[in-house]
Amino acid sequence: GAVVSQHPSRVICKSGTSVKIECRSLDFQATTMFWYRQFPKQSLMLMATSNEGSKATYEQGVEKDKFLINHASLTLSTLTVTSAHPEDSSFYICSARYRTGRSEAFFGQGTRLTVV
Amino acid sequence: AQKVTQAQTEISVVEKEDVTLDCVYETRDTTYYLFWYKQPPSGELVFLIRRNSFDEQNEISGRYSWNFQKSTSSFNFTITASQVVDSAVYFCALSEDDSWGKLQFGAGTQVVVTP
Repeated sequence: GAVVSQHPSRVICKSGTSVKIECRSLDFQATTMFWYRQFPKQSLMLMATSNEGSKATYEQGVEKDKFLINHASLTLSTLTVTSAHPEDSSFYICSARYRTGRSEAFFGQGTRLTVV
Repeated sequence: AQKVTQAQTEISVVEKEDVTLDCVYETRDTTYYLFWYKQPPSGELVFLIRRNSFDEQNEISGRYSWNFQKSTSSFNFTITASQVVDSAVYFCALSEDDSWGKLQFGAGTQVVVTP
């Protein structure tokens, strides 16, 4: 199957700082990537859809100015959590789908963010 | 409205028992995909199966089996002869035709298998 790499796997940052999470498709081109958030003992909730070369589409209730998404190439999307606060502590996971045709999306390993 | 319902929050079994996880979904699309994922404590999502809406055949893969019933909008998952390594959270998910690759997850079911 296709490989999606997410980095870092864990990050601890101080309140008020920004954190960047990378999602890379290693062996395929991904027109679209998805970012999910999972709070402890909860389900995965879609935050935004990231499209290469265009603005991301955010789900209702997700602050676009706080969660900056950049999809500058067909193999890389980044999620930046700006001015992080303890309530942003969560598990963030990305997925990527093939550029052509219909296919499932492949998930990265996830990033556990802790804001102290 | 929630589109994927996993009514069981947690299921505890003793090793070698069978366990069935329920999943009920809701969609107006005629073409859609259903998934099951396993999430161990480490957090990564392990893909288990994808089933499209036109394929109602049940599937068996080792100790895992899936029962897809369009008439009841259900896609249940059974682990036969459970093992301690099966302890994890299991998610059912739906991808609709107009949002390819975008998944709507159920709440998840925590499976605890004790020796």
